[in-house]
Amino acid sequence: GAGVSQTPSNKVTEKGKYVELRCDPISGHTALYWYRQSLGQGPEFLIYFQGTGAADDSGLPNDRFFAVRPEGSVSTLKIQRTERGDSAVYLCASSLNGFGETQYFGPGTRLLVL
Amino acid sequence: TQLLEQSPQFLSIQEGENLTVYCNSSSVFSSLQWYRQEPGEGPVLLVTVVTGGEVKKLKRLTFQFGDARKDSSLHITAAQPGDTGLYLCAGDNAGNMLTFGGGTRLMVKP
Repeated sequence: GAGVSQTPSNKVTEKGKYVELRCDPISGHTALYWYRQSLGQGPEFLIYFQGTGAADDSGLPNDRFFAVRPEGSVSTLKIQRTERGDSAVYLCASSLNGFGETQYFGPGTRLLVL
Repeated sequence: TQLLEQSPQFLSIQEGENLTVYCNSSSVFSSLQWYRQEPGEGPVLLVTVVTGGEVKKLKRLTFQFGDARKDSSLHITAAQPGDTGLYLCAGDNAGNMLTFGGGTRLMVKP
């Protein structure tokens, strides 16, 4: 069966540009998560969606980061005015209903800000 | 802020050796998960431990959850080159976000 997919797999942009990263969760999964993994570190939580709403966005580092999930399926992570420090792997995960259930991760989008 | 510390950060061993990876926290977690991550891929769940003192085995891998549910260990017996990868522990407090450790990068040489 299809797992979590993320596009693009790699993104190179220039400092100050705007980027969008897309996540397609496993079909039927109501919970969706975004994490960021810097080089040599473990993933860090960014935001969690339950359905269409952001139930917990406490991990977003600042107001340049924003995520949406308008129809409760696909999610887009948006980064404005990118900075070199935003370079990382952005991971998306989904789970059936949230509430401590197993999260299944996508392959990630590798973002490089020059 | 809940933190998980993993040790060692890096481990390079010969095929056939045994190893143990540790995951420690000052916080209590309702469950703790171990993931393995290959280059260019997302983390893949290996096991979830829930009960204090619980021990789970997955072929040559043995996972243990501390009695106080603050720490965990992963022991690999007779490591093989296919075990090479990044091992991550993650704590879950049923709050929907996972708190990950920094990872242990394991290399098993043939």
